[in-house]
Amino acid sequence: DGGITQSPKYLFRKEGQNVTLSCEQNLNHDAMYWYRQDPGQGLRLIYYSQIVNDFQKGDIAEGYSVSREKKESFPLTVTSAQKNPTAFYLCASSGTGPLYEQYFGPGTRLTVT
Amino acid sequence: SQKIEQNSEALNIQEGKTATLTCNYTNYSPAYLQWYRQDPGRGPVFLLLIRENEKEKRKERLKVTFDTTLKQSLFHITASQPADSATYLCALDMGYNQGGKLIFGQGTELSVKP
Repeated sequence: DGGITQSPKYLFRKEGQNVTLSCEQNLNHDAMYWYRQDPGQGLRLIYYSQIVNDFQKGDIAEGYSVSREKKESFPLTVTSAQKNPTAFYLCASSGTGPLYEQYFGPGTRLTVT
Repeated sequence: SQKIEQNSEALNIQEGKTATLTCNYTNYSPAYLQWYRQDPGRGPVFLLLIRENEKEKRKERLKVTFDTTLKQSLFHITASQPADSATYLCALDMGYNQGGKLIFGQGTELSVKP
């Protein structure tokens, strides 16, 4: 059953702690993406990767870090430097190039208090 | 910078009517534009993609138009059903040179009443 998974569904952390969100895909996609969604807003791109061991900053990369050591995995770390980390985080993957739609995971809702 | 706007208010329609959602953009001429559906607390799901040289695209009860002169895309759902209630997102496809990045609008919430 091909797809993209994110874990956990809900995550709670104290302010000042780093936290890592998991994203795994078995669709054999080269490209992977991380988005953040706040209430009533669209998706904003945090980081993206077109190939293993390479990634680029999106529009709101400050306070976040990623790695892409395997094609299937693209974990996102929310660091203590991120000023407003509470949000809904979505991971997506796609084929490389235009005309490819993105497949999204179910999302992780992070709450930092 | 790139700006993309959708109907800012929620759209409420009666079952059986046609829903029309608007997506306007500025400062860019995308080669492609995509539409997604998002249910509460879930990830978006791809619906349709339309290219700049396609004026219209259809899929079952869905129809998308793309007017590059007006910098606007319209998304229509005909014979709407309560199950069509969701948030619909449009996204500009930045193309291969931009890593396949998509720029998303804020979404329009559609509610179809029985």
